[in-house]
Amino acid sequence: GQNIDQPTEMTATEGAIVQINCTYQTSGFNGLFWYQQHAGEAPTFLSYNVLDGLEEKGRFSSFLSRSKGYSYLLLKELQMKDSASYLCAVKGTGGGNKLTFGTGTQLKVEL
Amino acid sequence: DTEVTQTPKHLVMGMTNKKSLKCEQHMGHRAMYWYKQKAKKPPELMFVYSYEKLSINESVPSRFSPECPNSSLLNLHLHALQPEDSALYLCASSQDWGAAGYEQYFGPGTRLTVT
Repeated sequence: GQNIDQPTEMTATEGAIVQINCTYQTSGFNGLFWYQQHAGEAPTFLSYNVLDGLEEKGRFSSFLSRSKGYSYLLLKELQMKDSASYLCAVKGTGGGNKLTFGTGTQLKVEL
Repeated sequence: DTEVTQTPKHLVMGMTNKKSLKCEQHMGHRAMYWYKQKAKKPPELMFVYSYEKLSINESVPSRFSPECPNSSLLNLHLHALQPEDSALYLCASSQDWGAAGYEQYFGPGTRLTVT
């Protein structure tokens, strides 16, 4: 099975940097995804990591360490619109390559 | 076009009703998914279709019946639902279903309330 842990809530200030951590234990690993979900809306894809290291996309970066079962999402130059839930999702090799989501981290950006 | 559309946006139904949720994508994706999401919880996978064939059924009760009429359409037929089935139902699609890191694109969801 899969076990994915993220902090439940985080608060940060507009213009700052925030790091959202995700740890996972899986029976197999075929990549880790980060999604953003605003309240009442669909999740939107942010990033994908399958190899160790950092992937950068504009204000968003995602890091993966497969040996440690650890990832983080880094958000720079925070804006109010970044207030949302951030979901870490792992694709395993067992059970048909399903995507299993963590419980999500609710990020609140304040002035 | 990276859009997945879902209809209706909202649905209220009684426990004896029969209704259907619809999902459509025109990205040429060959894998489509149904997820259920309760408030403040992550999406939970219900069904996966790959090349119009059901690949995964996550032990979903038979009152939920999926259908994939063609590669662009995915339906979820609902019958004799329970109040605890009230949730946001999300449809998603990806280029393929398999080991590679194909991201899933989600539709806006149908907010279902069972009375």
